[in-house]
Amino acid sequence: EVQLVESGGGLVQPGGSLRLSCAASGFTFSDYWMHWVRQAPGKGLVWVSRISSDGSSPAYADSVKGRFSVSRDNAKDTLSLQMNSLRPEDTAVYYCARAGGCGGGRSCPFDYWSQGTLVTVSS
Amino acid sequence: DIQMTQSPSSLSASVGDRVTITCRASQDIRDYLGWYQQKPGKAPKRLIYAASSLQSGVPSRFSGSGSGTEFTLTVSSLQPEDFATYYCLQHNSYPWTFGQGTKVEIK
Repeated sequence: EVQLVESGGGLVQPGGSLRLSCAASGFTFSDYWMHWVRQAPGKGLVWVSRISSDGSSPAYADSVKGRFSVSRDNAKDTLSLQMNSLRPEDTAVYYCARAGGCGGGRSCPFDYWSQGTLVTVSS
Repeated sequence: DIQMTQSPSSLSASVGDRVTITCRASQDIRDYLGWYQQKPGKAPKRLIYAASSLQSGVPSRFSGSGSGTEFTLTVSSLQPEDFATYYCLQHNSYPWTFGQGTKVEIK
């Protein structure tokens, strides 16, 4: 069974840092591109970041570029998001998500999601 | 960035109704579109990928259609468990972008 289990959310002051982790199981983690998506309270879903299967190709939304850093450890089946210089507008539930499950070697949208972890940026 | 315009933003419907939700892309995204259902406090669940392919395990009352810039999600006969918020997602180019969501409520 595919599982993505997140940890690391919580309350942080503006300007502070937080590191989210996502532990993957039930599939060959190193075969899949992985993503982070967030959802501010009562709002819609927003793509945040992605990393290629071998970790060589990270990408970010403009709103977090230069402040967030995505990484992965394929030996430990773990995805991470280092969030620095946090702002109140970064307050959201953060999900890690796998892109896959549609075959044919084409780009696939997210098929599995974590349970989400709340990050609150407030003084 | 590709803008995804989803409509309506909300709708009220009864059990058994046929419901259609539309997403329009600001540029051609071929069939790189997925549909998701989200219930309060839960992670989204994929219903449709490649614009019209039904995710395994999803009831056949859900269907997707479209290509290019216009896409629809149809629920042929709404069931009590279908009351939720639905989102489209384009994954043709980065940044991947979602529609703003459609909340389906009980009439």
